[in-house]
Amino acid sequence: DSGVTQTPKHLITATGQRVTLRCSPRSGDLSVYWYQQSLDQGLQFLIQYYNGEERAKGNILERFSAQQFPDLHSELNLSSLELGDSALYFCASDVGTGGDSPLHFGNGTRLTVT
Amino acid sequence: GQQLNQSPQSMFIQEGEDVSMNCTSSSIFNTWLWYKQDPGEGPVLLIALYKAGELTSNGRLTAQFGITRKDSFLNISASIPSDVGIYFCAGGRPSQGGSEKLVFGKGTKLTVNP
Repeated sequence: DSGVTQTPKHLITATGQRVTLRCSPRSGDLSVYWYQQSLDQGLQFLIQYYNGEERAKGNILERFSAQQFPDLHSELNLSSLELGDSALYFCASDVGTGGDSPLHFGNGTRLTVT
Repeated sequence: GQQLNQSPQSMFIQEGEDVSMNCTSSSIFNTWLWYKQDPGEGPVLLIALYKAGELTSNGRLTAQFGITRKDSFLNISASIPSDVGIYFCAGGRPSQGGSEKLVFGKGTKLTVNP
């Protein structure tokens, strides 16, 4: 158990809809990272938050947004969903001090857009 | 975004055989990490390497941080069926404003035949 909690585990929704994915980082970790993994693809970095503020941005679509709350949990919002958004979405956390601490991943949310 | 070249893409081996996989990059990294992902789960950290030339073992797993800081390899000795999964390398650099902290390879899918 990595200590990173993601909910829900599975999500099935229709095109055009909006969903929210939730992540609670490991105790003591200040930084949260979001990744997308499509079928047979590697991990694509979406966005990072540190202590409530956006720290780095990757290949995140404008239809997607995220935030980190004062209690350090994070939410990833996906709107105007398309079939191609079907993927596994992972959250990871680390202490976020800028050093070399490794990321620890949650078990992901599997999003299916029909 | 930046990519790591991870090879091979897939491996089919017999139980008891040794396995070797590697990652190369045109960029220098401060850390090299190896993760394993089981179906339906998040990547789990196997080994973290922090120093060029470092050779680290974790049970039957051995990984090395290349001297040039542009590559790393992972060896698995005497493979067993539970080694099945996807192995990802990741090159890490300090989390600086705007840039992603970890760059992932596309993974090596390992199949072990009993």
